[in-house]
Amino acid sequence: DIVMTQSPDSLAVSLGERATINCRSSQSVLNISNNKNFLTWYQQKPGQPPKVLIYWASTRESGVPDRFSGSGSGTDFTLTISSLQAEDVAVYYCQQYHSTPVTFGGGTKVEIK
Amino acid sequence: QVQLQQSGARLLKPSETLSLTCGLHSGSFRGYYWNWIRQTPGKGLEWIGEINHSGSTHYNPSLKSRVTISIDTAENQFSLQLSPVTAADTAVFYCARRKTYYYGSGNYYRTYMDVWGKGTTVTVSS
Repeated sequence: DIVMTQSPDSLAVSLGERATINCRSSQSVLNISNNKNFLTWYQQKPGQPPKVLIYWASTRESGVPDRFSGSGSGTDFTLTISSLQAEDVAVYYCQQYHSTPVTFGGGTKVEIK
Repeated sequence: QVQLQQSGARLLKPSETLSLTCGLHSGSFRGYYWNWIRQTPGKGLEWIGEINHSGSTHYNPSLKSRVTISIDTAENQFSLQLSPVTAADTAVFYCARRKTYYYGSGNYYRTYMDVWGKGTTVTVSS
């Protein structure tokens, strides 16, 4: 199985400041055939299911604010919230869909400082 | 708008069989895979398995011996059975739609989960 490791486990950021979450995979999730990284970022708020923010590592899902962006390739990826808003308080997960079974990172909890 | 409807909380005893159903509203089964994922405080999010409209399945090897996923397109629902359960199976179980990405000649990749049910809390306790 591909192991997904996120860092940090939690971070506290002031409103309007940047939040950066890292995700590392134990194997490359880059598909050579189509040059796409098979990686997704989800946001989960308490009592709710995960919600997709980013897929193909850097493509924003329809309706997701442009303050959310994804970057990286191969085994190292980053989710950036450019200007943290109160409604962004949540746990964020990366997930690879390159190989079966799909696997998730352990999550990063984002709070307001 | 596609919605996935899950039933309410379940309480089971060890060695029993967990049966969950996910109802599809306002959508088609074709062109997607239909997934089950569970979440625990200790192990986080864990993919259980999936099925497509024609009944093709993939399972997590760690659970394969205990899991069966089925689909009933006439009733617009798909189901999960997990047996036998233990306390370690206590979790929130989610159903989710997984998108496919076609790249020609009928070939496709299975990608990410874009629609999720609200989750069902399952507790296993004697």
